[in-house]
Amino acid sequence: GAGVSQSPSNKVTEKGKDVELRCDPISGHTALYWYRQSLGQGLEFLIYFQGNSAPDKSGLPSDRFSAERTGGSVSTLTIQRTQQEDSAVYLCASRPNLAGGSNTQYFGPGTRLTVL
Amino acid sequence: DAKTTQPPSMDCAEGRAANLPCNHSTISGNEYVYWYRQIHSQGPQYIIHGLKNNETNEMASLIITEDRKSSTLILPHATLRDTAVYYCIVPWRNRDDKIIFGKGTRLHILP
Repeated sequence: GAGVSQSPSNKVTEKGKDVELRCDPISGHTALYWYRQSLGQGLEFLIYFQGNSAPDKSGLPSDRFSAERTGGSVSTLTIQRTQQEDSAVYLCASRPNLAGGSNTQYFGPGTRLTVL
Repeated sequence: DAKTTQPPSMDCAEGRAANLPCNHSTISGNEYVYWYRQIHSQGPQYIIHGLKNNETNEMASLIITEDRKSSTLILPHATLRDTAVYYCIVPWRNRDDKIIFGKGTRLHILP
């Protein structure tokens, strides 16, 4: 079946501009995560949505970052007034309901953001 | 805050078994151990997870010590396509719904 998809696959923007990154999770998955990965680094947790609960925003690096998830499905990560240090690959993952403590996340291919 | 310790890199000859160690000495309660891998320029891919017993699937085997303080991921017959960064992860602060990725082990499969 279809996996997690993300768009665009690549985004080049100028410093100070706003960008929106989209994630389409696997149908029926209740949880959705955003991570970012800078060049040569590990994954950095950003934000987590679970059903209708308030999202866990504890990983967002600044108030320039925000995300929403409409209708429990598609999610958009917005970065306002982009800075060069925002350049990274932004990864989205979705997960079905936790069952037996399993947290198996399915990742999309990522969006490579370059801020000039 | 990842709660796991892995060697930064390892080499393995093609066709041999790759054994990737992970220390998670502070694991507690009913926390699972998860393994993911990330092939260059791709998103991470789930491999396997376990709690107490050893686990095996079509990709790998997971051996967890009796005290659960360490585990080993085994790729029985490594191929060049197994070259990737392998992440050993336990949940974050007893939350099964949140996992934190560390630096992982960069596995090089040598022809």
